[in-house]
This record gives sequence, structure tokens and C-alpha cells, in this order.
Amino acid sequence: DAKTTQPPSMDCAEGRAANLPCNHSTISGNEYVYWYRQIHSQGPQYIIHGLKNNETNEMASLIITEDRKSSTLILPHATLRDTAVYYCIVRVAQTGANNLFFGTGTRLTVIP
Amino acid sequence: DVKVTQSSRYLVKRTGEKVFLECVQDMDHENMFWYRQDPGLGLRLIYFSYDVKMKEKGDIPEGYSVSREKKERFSLILESASTNQTSMYLCASSDRDGYNEQFFGPGTRLTVL
Repeated sequence: DAKTTQPPSMDCAEGRAANLPCNHSTISGNEYVYWYRQIHSQGPQYIIHGLKNNETNEMASLIITEDRKSSTLILPHATLRDTAVYYCIVRVAQTGANNLFFGTGTRLTVIP
Repeated sequence: DVKVTQSSRYLVKRTGEKVFLECVQDMDHENMFWYRQDPGLGLRLIYFSYDVKMKEKGDIPEGYSVSREKKERFSLILESASTNQTSMYLCASSDRDGYNEQFFGPGTRLTVL
């Protein structure tokens, strides 16, 4: 599976958009990009995933570059409750149990 | 509301004790996973199961075993707990479709003295 590189930490002002980058330069054509987050003292929570098109759901938007070597997770209006560690993961989506490799992620702090 | 529950949030055990961590999911998922999480190391997969009575080793299975007798329940067993097994243990489940959305439990923080 392709490895990912994320900045260790970021700050964002409350109400502003939080843009979290992820590099995955060795991604293969059949690998998806997934984002999870982990709020302190809780288990990780799925946010969004995509293959090559940009995706949006009620939580966030995922922008994947045309060459698929990097992506950005966008939280459009960050709140204090979005303070968490955000993990970018790339993995082939296939039937059966799929291991997810969680790196150390980006610690996002939303500042009042 | 979908749920993955774990038997304890906090657990303190002594070196050499046998420890059972229980995980139950109510989503009828085929796949279940046990991870441990340590500072600076992210989450590491210990074992997973894709069906009842089936199990596969993950990245760090040494010192652990698992049991899946029923679809909804996946147990992690530390046969003889050691201090280096002090960690946060996270259980997760997913369906068979393979889109990797895993649902996680709240975690069990295990301390081995």
C-alpha cells in the first residue's frame, strides 16, 4: 500500500476553512484515498473517501489532484469540535477484511 | 445508530495475568479488527477476522490471540500480560463490500503493572 505524508500539526481559526494536505506520490491506480479523524479519547471516525474525482459529504470535501499524488481534506467551517488528529490513508478497496494503515496523522487545533 | 462497544474503557492488570478484551458490534458486519495505539506509532493491526471462527494475523500478533465464536463478538486475549502491552486497544468492524469504512469502538486503555 502507498504510504502517506502529512504535516504533524496545524491550527485553524474557528469558522474558517481547514485545509489538510496529504502526499501519496506512490499511489497506484486502484488505490483509494480515505480520511479518518480521532477526537481525543475516542476511536477513529470515518470522514470521506475517493478514487480520482472530488468528493463531498456532510462532513467534508476531498480534493484529489489530477495526477493523484496528493489530496486535501477541507472542513468548510471549522468548529472547536473539529479539533482532532486527522489520518490520510490509501488502500485498495477489495472484498474481505482490509487492513488500514494509520500513520501518525495531522493534529488539527481549532482556535476560538 | 450503529455501534461498536468494548467491554471496558479502563483496565489495570498485573504482569502474567490472562486478560480478555471483548468487542461487540450490532451492524451484522463480517469483518472485525483489533488494533493497538501507542504515542508516535499510530494504530497497528494485531489481528482481524473476516468470518466466524476465522482469524488472520495483523502486523503485531505476538503475545496475543483472538476468538470469534459469534459474528457480533470478537475477543482479544493476552495469554500472559506484560508491561509492554500497556496501550490503548481499539476494536473495529466493517462490512464485506470492501470500501474500508471501519467503525471503531471507544477503546480500552489497558495498564499492565
